[in-house]
Amino acid sequence: RKEVEQDPGPFNVPEGATVAFNCTYSNSASQSFFWYRQDCRKEPKLLMSVYSSGNEDGRFTAQLNRASQYISLLIRDSKLSDSATYLCVVNAGAGSYQLTFGKGTKLSVIP
Amino acid sequence: EPEVTQTPSHQVTQMGQEVILRCVPISNHLYFYWYRQILGQKVEFLVSFYNNEISEKSEIFDDQFSVERPDGSNFTLKIRSTKLEDSAMYFCASGRQGGTEAFFGQGTRLTVV
Repeated sequence: RKEVEQDPGPFNVPEGATVAFNCTYSNSASQSFFWYRQDCRKEPKLLMSVYSSGNEDGRFTAQLNRASQYISLLIRDSKLSDSATYLCVVNAGAGSYQLTFGKGTKLSVIP
Repeated sequence: EPEVTQTPSHQVTQMGQEVILRCVPISNHLYFYWYRQILGQKVEFLVSFYNNEISEKSEIFDDQFSVERPDGSNFTLKIRSTKLEDSAMYFCASGRQGGTEAFFGQGTRLTVV
């Protein structure tokens, strides 16, 4: 069974803090990796794709370690608006169109 | 910014009834998906659709489910005879390429009573 595992949290951090989320995936054939965020009872929204070389988008940095099948997301200078559930998502492998979601890590940024 | 739109936002139906959930994917996308999320659980893949046919489906997508692209813009999910356990949020998504970024609609909350 192809799984994506995440620490469910919750992570409660003060504004301005740096927080890191981790994710492991079991399917070594996965080729595409993403972080989505989901607000309560809303749709998942793409935060960023994750590349082997690592990538950064403003305060957000994502890293991928294919050998360890491990993905991370770092959020610097947390804002109140960052409060959400962060979903680690991988595709199901070569030739597959489906995305496999983790259960998500809940982040609460506290004033 | 283009977005995926879904209707209705909330549907309440009696067990055994048929429901049709509707979606308008982003116009230049070629890959279409349905996912569902039972309250408190993870988002689960149901089906992908490309070139007017199903390309993949999950174990959840049994004979009670069907999808259709009746015209150039709409993409529908039909549940023939709803069960209590079909109660969930159903998300439509679309993407330019298969297995890459997918963009989700706001969801239809289906409640089966």
